[in-house]
Amino acid sequence: LAKTTQPISMDSYEGQEVNITCSHNNIATNDYITWYQQFPSQGPRFIIQGYKTKVTNEVASLFIPADRKSSTLSLPRVSLSDTAVYYCLVGDDYKLSFGAGTTVTVRA
Amino acid sequence: NAGVMQNPRHLVRRRGQEARLRCSPMKGHSHVYWYRQLPEEGLKFMVYLQKENIIDESGMPKERFSAEFPKEGPSILRIQQVVRGDSAAYFCASSPPTGTGLNEQFFGPGTRLTVL
Repeated sequence: LAKTTQPISMDSYEGQEVNITCSHNNIATNDYITWYQQFPSQGPRFIIQGYKTKVTNEVASLFIPADRKSSTLSLPRVSLSDTAVYYCLVGDDYKLSFGAGTTVTVRA
Repeated sequence: NAGVMQNPRHLVRRRGQEARLRCSPMKGHSHVYWYRQLPEEGLKFMVYLQKENIIDESGMPKERFSAEFPKEGPSILRIQQVVRGDSAAYFCASSPPTGTGLNEQFFGPGTRLTVL
């Protein structure tokens, strides 16, 4: 499994854009990049998944450079309810491997 | 459409007792996954089941832990003779029959097991 490195924590304010970068230098050819969100006392929730270039959905955007050694999750105009832990996962099968994640705190 | 359901949400056991954790997948989902989250750590894969079959139990401890997903009823994660180190949050996830599970897995709220 490819190892991922992401910041431990990030602070932001309501209405700002939050960008979380994840490093995965040894990503394999078949690996996908997936991001999950987890609120306290809840299970993780899928946000977005991509393989290369850019993916966008109603919640976030995922930017993946050509070498795929890193990726950036972008959360536009965050609100207080976006305060959560965000996990970057890299892999090619069902065995999801969660690291420590990035704790994002959104302040008013 | 109800999501993944787990019960109980909280379970307290004394050392040596048995713990049974239940998971009902989303309607139409036939793939179930169990994960364990130890304090201050990320979720770790334990086992992958389909109806009446264990597909991959490579993440399960070799002793005291077992899982099943019968033809009827919820998936069960069973921990025999619990020890304090089993205290953790246990999450169940499900995915539809199509796909590899690499794509979106839907997680339940978890069962928090405390061993006294």
